[in-house]
Amino acid sequence: QTVVTQEPSLTVSPGGTVTLTCASSTGAVTSGYYPNWFQQKPGQAPRALIYSTSNKNSWTPARFSGSLLGGKAALTLSGVQPEDEAEYYCLLYCDGSWVFGGGTKLTVL
Amino acid sequence: QVQLQQWGAGLLKPSETLSLTCAVYGGSFSGYYWSWIRQPPGKGLEWIGDINHGGSANYNPSLKSRVTISVDTSRNQFSLKLTPVTAADTAVYYCARNFDTWGQGTLVTVSS
Repeated sequence: QTVVTQEPSLTVSPGGTVTLTCASSTGAVTSGYYPNWFQQKPGQAPRALIYSTSNKNSWTPARFSGSLLGGKAALTLSGVQPEDEAEYYCLLYCDGSWVFGGGTKLTVL
Repeated sequence: QVQLQQWGAGLLKPSETLSLTCAVYGGSFSGYYWSWIRQPPGKGLEWIGDINHGGSANYNPSLKSRVTISVDTSRNQFSLKLTPVTAADTAVYYCARNFDTWGQGTLVTVSS
């Protein structure tokens, strides 16, 4: 089964910009993998941020954006806020199944 | 605004059957895929499978032999069965609509 890889952890300063990536063990991630991104805070259910590479949900703050970058799916946070500290998961559609990445722990300090 | 409310047994013994149900309130049941996802304590998310309103289901290959997802359109509900369970199935189980709306999660513990 496909393995989806994310950075285990990243640190960013408030007001800064950070990019999280999501890679597939089968090769370059394309729009056909329908990349999704989720934010999860401790004790809460995941919250959907981005679907189909770059589409935002109505509740997604403008500082979050999704793209394809260097063969990976990417989530960029611009103007990071303290409340953005959380675990972030990507999700890819691979060979008829959905596969989550292992998650990136984003620290804001 | 659509809401998902899920329920089911929270404590099981090895070899028993995990059974969870998710009810959909305030939105259409058709035109969406309805998923089950789980998260072991302190670990990441795992997609279990999904189903559409017509009853066409897809499963994670690693769980396919033990999982059944079904739908009851008359009640706007869908369900998950996983059998037999082991301690490795201990997790918070979530239901979701197209991954954009999630249930509150149910902790299922498997212990003898």
